[in-house]
Amino acid sequence: GENVEQHPSTLSVQEGDSAVIKCTYSDSASNYFPWYKQELGKRPQLIIDIRSNVGEKKDQRIAVTLNKTAKHFSLHITETQPEDSAVYFCAATDSWGKLQFGAGTQVVVTP
Amino acid sequence: DAGVIQSPRHEVTEMGQEVTLRCKPISGHNSLFWYRQTMMRGLELLIYFNNNVPIDDSGMPEDRFSAKMPNASFSTLKIQPSEPRDSAVYFCASSPLAGGPREQFFGPGTRLTVL
Repeated sequence: GENVEQHPSTLSVQEGDSAVIKCTYSDSASNYFPWYKQELGKRPQLIIDIRSNVGEKKDQRIAVTLNKTAKHFSLHITETQPEDSAVYFCAATDSWGKLQFGAGTQVVVTP
Repeated sequence: DAGVIQSPRHEVTEMGQEVTLRCKPISGHNSLFWYRQTMMRGLELLIYFNNNVPIDDSGMPEDRFSAKMPNASFSTLKIQPSEPRDSAVYFCASSPLAGGPREQFFGPGTRLTVL
């Protein structure tokens, strides 16, 4: 089945700096790659997603890149703000369309 | 739309008791997913349904766990008997089925504590 690895497990950045989270996946048939943000005690919520026919997607301060050949994708957050502090999960669909989540990255933005 | 609704929000029970978690998906969503989240194991998919039919239950930890979806607007996850290691946050999520993989909308979760 699909295996998604996510790095780093924790990331501390100063407000205004950029944050980058990287994920790799194993199933070459994967075609959908969402990113979820989970604040403490809350539910995961989608912040951006990308499909395999696109290499990059941007939404304001958030961007995702996908390299299908290398089977990795990354989340980029620019001009980080304290409200960006949360756990971020990457995910990839397996060949059955089932989402496999990464282990999560705890992002802490310090003022 | 109220989003995905889960009940109860918190459940504290004693080992050996039966626990039933409930979920109402977003109206019109044909896919429903049950996840379990713990610090040690992260976010794990337990089972998912398409059009009320269980498609993959390979994530269900053992026979003590069972899930049903009797109609398009209701699903249950039952643990019988419960054990302390079942303590976790259980999320239900739903998504539209058409058009390939789509965003999954998560409910608020049920925090289960088994003493």
